[in-house]
Amino acid sequence: SQQGEEDPQALSIQEGENATMNCSYKTSINNLQWYRQNSGRGLVHLILIRSNEREKHSGRLRVTLDTSKKSSSLLITASRAADTASYFCATPSINDYKLSFGAGTTVTVRA
Amino acid sequence: ETGVTQTPRHLVMGMTNKKSLKCEQHLGHNAMYWYKQSAKKPLELMFVYSLEERVENNSVPSRFSPECPNSSHLFLHLHTLQPEDSALYLCASSQEGTGVSGYTFGSGTRLTVV
Repeated sequence: SQQGEEDPQALSIQEGENATMNCSYKTSINNLQWYRQNSGRGLVHLILIRSNEREKHSGRLRVTLDTSKKSSSLLITASRAADTASYFCATPSINDYKLSFGAGTTVTVRA
Repeated sequence: ETGVTQTPRHLVMGMTNKKSLKCEQHLGHNAMYWYKQSAKKPLELMFVYSLEERVENNSVPSRFSPECPNSSHLFLHLHTLQPEDSALYLCASSQEGTGVSGYTFGSGTRLTVV
């Protein structure tokens, strides 16, 4: 069953701008993960944030987690054309390692 | 290459055909998964294998039959499929038991049922 929901569904930005997308989930989690999917390809794991962490960075990616609001955000700074993709949040349940994915945010970066 | 290889990349099959999708991982992971991704829908978890034992079957129709002969290989056998089964089928693996890990996905098989 779907656990996470991303917002917005689609996002179009100019190269160099920042892109922010949000994820809300329903049940308690051990961690929350973000994945990227280029058109018609498999998903690539970007970053994992544990439930006891509030913020995490990886290169141009910044992820926040607010367990009280059951929400997370992914910020991509200084976007590039290569960042054009769909981005998904995924969560395992508290006693379960199986991931449930949201419907994704489609990001288009215009040159 | 991600370390998870799926074949074939594309498959067109008739509703009366029997075909198999193959997934192979050499990452030493102990869990493997089949997901279905249809247009404009979230990824649907179909099957989970942990230590070669099936631990999840999410009400998937019997026309989909998984097989995990060892920890490195996962198959999805297909027979008498319907047009609505056309989708991208994704295999993934992970190392479970550590409490926290991410999945490694293959590039998927684009299946078209005609």
